[in-house]
Amino acid sequence: DGGITQSPKYLFRKEGQNVTLSCEQNLNHDAMYWYRQDPGQGLRLIYYSQIVNDFQKGDIAEGYSVSREKKESFPLTVTSAQKNPTAFYLCASSRLDRGNNQPQHFGDGTRLSIL
Amino acid sequence: GQNIDQPTEMTATEGAIVQINCTYQTSGFNGLFWYQQHAGEAPTFLSYNVLDGLEEKGRFSSFLSRSKGYSYLLLKELQMKDSASYLCAASRGPSGTYKYIFGTGTRLKVLA
Repeated sequence: DGGITQSPKYLFRKEGQNVTLSCEQNLNHDAMYWYRQDPGQGLRLIYYSQIVNDFQKGDIAEGYSVSREKKESFPLTVTSAQKNPTAFYLCASSRLDRGNNQPQHFGDGTRLSIL
Repeated sequence: GQNIDQPTEMTATEGAIVQINCTYQTSGFNGLFWYQQHAGEAPTFLSYNVLDGLEEKGRFSSFLSRSKGYSYLLLKELQMKDSASYLCAASRGPSGTYKYIFGTGTRLKVLA
């Protein structure tokens, strides 16, 4: 079955440490996205990518970095510059045809906490 | 500015009908999506509207009025498993930018 796999499910970060969240999809989708979800807030876009080796900043990109070396993979690094990283991180993917009207498929999320 | 508003919480009874409203303000609006999210899980796609009117999918229907910046999700014959958050999301920007703005979600409790 096709889908999106995020790992790990839970992650703990120490002060000054960079951590990387994995996201892999086998849906053959061109577009991939990273969102952050905080209690009482909607999903906020961190980064998105429409094609291999290209990505765009979302609304809250500061303190995060991404890469898109393969179509299937879009890892997110939470750097030490992100001072409030505790959140639920969701990866999504979608097709690109028919303009902006393609539903997004989400992974199960990674819950990141500070030690 | 860009904004999506939906009620924070709603309660309904098993077997009833509930309507969850969503109002949006965003430049370059393309379409409106509804997702269901159970606590601690991934959102799953329910429906989307591009044109004005009603889209029906089994027990779920979604309505859009582009001129009013308004949408609703209608859930019929409520079941206990429908207790979840319902997220309203607008796709925005010129075709090809693929950006979506999400509301905070409406937490629906279905009571026996």
